[in-house]
Amino acid sequence: AQSVTQLDSQVPVFEEAPVELRCNYSSSVSVYLFWYVQYPNQGLQLLLKYLSGSTLVKGINGFEAEFNKSQTSFHLRKPSVHISDTAEYFCAVRDFGNEKLTFGTGTRLTIIP
Amino acid sequence: DTAVSQTPKYLVTQMGNDKSIKCEQNLGHDTMYWYKQDSKKFLKIMFSYNNKELIINETVPNRFSPKSPDKAHLNLHINSLELGDSAVYFCASSQNKGLSSYNEQFFGPGTRLTVL
Repeated sequence: AQSVTQLDSQVPVFEEAPVELRCNYSSSVSVYLFWYVQYPNQGLQLLLKYLSGSTLVKGINGFEAEFNKSQTSFHLRKPSVHISDTAEYFCAVRDFGNEKLTFGTGTRLTIIP
Repeated sequence: DTAVSQTPKYLVTQMGNDKSIKCEQNLGHDTMYWYKQDSKKFLKIMFSYNNKELIINETVPNRFSPKSPDKAHLNLHINSLELGDSAVYFCASSQNKGLSSYNEQFFGPGTRLTVL
């Protein structure tokens, strides 16, 4: 069975500073990996996804993530954050051959002016 | 031109009542989902329907019953509501290209259910 761990429940970062949100997964098969963002009182929006190929994937709003198979990680990064990046970020995994999407518990990113 | 819409956005009701949440998608997708997000923001799938057929049914009380009148709609009926049912419920949809393919899920805005 697949699972996702987001170790940091809250991450405060100063505006224009870099940020990394950590995500580790476990699965016995190959996976698809995702990061979703949830702005206050809104639904989830896909930030980026890893399906295959290059391990560095770029998404919307200047975010990127790197798939590391040996460490079973898919950490999200942004070199310079803005106030508008304040939101909840969810890492998710889906096994090949399985329709089910499993989410982590989320990381609340708070940008400090 | 909302892709995935849910009604109502907010629902406040008493324990023991029966309520429904509606979901509609205009993306032409053939797979729809219901997720529950609890007070700690943990998001977990409840059900998935493909072309009106149930394909994922997680461990959910049988008080919860999804109903899909057509592939553009997946409604969630909840009987005998309990305090623990308070949560945000998200509907989502995707185009099913097969299990070996990537099927991006598009989420609705959520319905915040409060049971008093």
